Amino acid sequence: SQQGEEDPQALSIQEGENATMNCSYKTSINNLQWYRQNSGRGLVHLILIRSNEREKHSGRLRVTLDTSKKSSSLLITASRAADTASYFCATVAARSGAGSYQLTFGKGTKLSVIP
Amino acid sequence: NAGVTQTPKFQVLKTGQSMTLQCAQDMNHNSMYWYRQDPGMGLRLIYYSASEGTTDKGEVPNGYNVSRLNKREFSLRLESAAPSQTSVYFCASSFILAGDYSDEQYFGPGTRLTVT
Repeated sequence: SQQGEEDPQALSIQEGENATMNCSYKTSINNLQWYRQNSGRGLVHLILIRSNEREKHSGRLRVTLDTSKKSSSLLITASRAADTASYFCATVAARSGAGSYQLTFGKGTKLSVIP
Repeated sequence: NAGVTQTPKFQVLKTGQSMTLQCAQDMNHNSMYWYRQDPGMGLRLIYYSASEGTTDKGEVPNGYNVSRLNKREFSLRLESAAPSQTSVYFCASSFILAGDYSDEQYFGPGTRLTVT
């Protein structure tokens, strides 16, 4: 079953604007990751935030994590047409009964940046 | 470094036919994964191999088998293809340190499979 749920499902913005995507999840996590998928391609890892972190930056990306609300947000600042892609959150949580962890993906947010 | 490679890129099968999807990574990763991606469903884990010599079921293993041939290669086999297995299949790999579950995964380009 899906652990993370992204919101919105689709987002369309003008180039130069900021894009914010949200992710909610259900169980305790070890860390949360964001991936990007360009049309017809595999996923590319963007950023990881651990459960004891609240905010992380990487270039034009800013990720926040609120474990009390079980939610995360991904902010892309000064968007570019090349940012057009689907963005997925993925949670790493304990695998039940197995003593290991599993990465589980949400359904994604489709971002369109209009030049 | 090629990263994660998958073959074939596209495949059309008739119901009941079998095929094997190949995956290889050259990053010396210990863990490998097979996912399927369907419209509106995100990625779902089919099987994974935490280390060479081990394989385990994921969320949707029915109708599939896997082989971790060596540290580099992880194949996915459809014994008797069904239209419900029409999907895009992604292989991924990661390096898992004991006790550290950062699990940043690297993905291949995918195989687009159609079963008629």
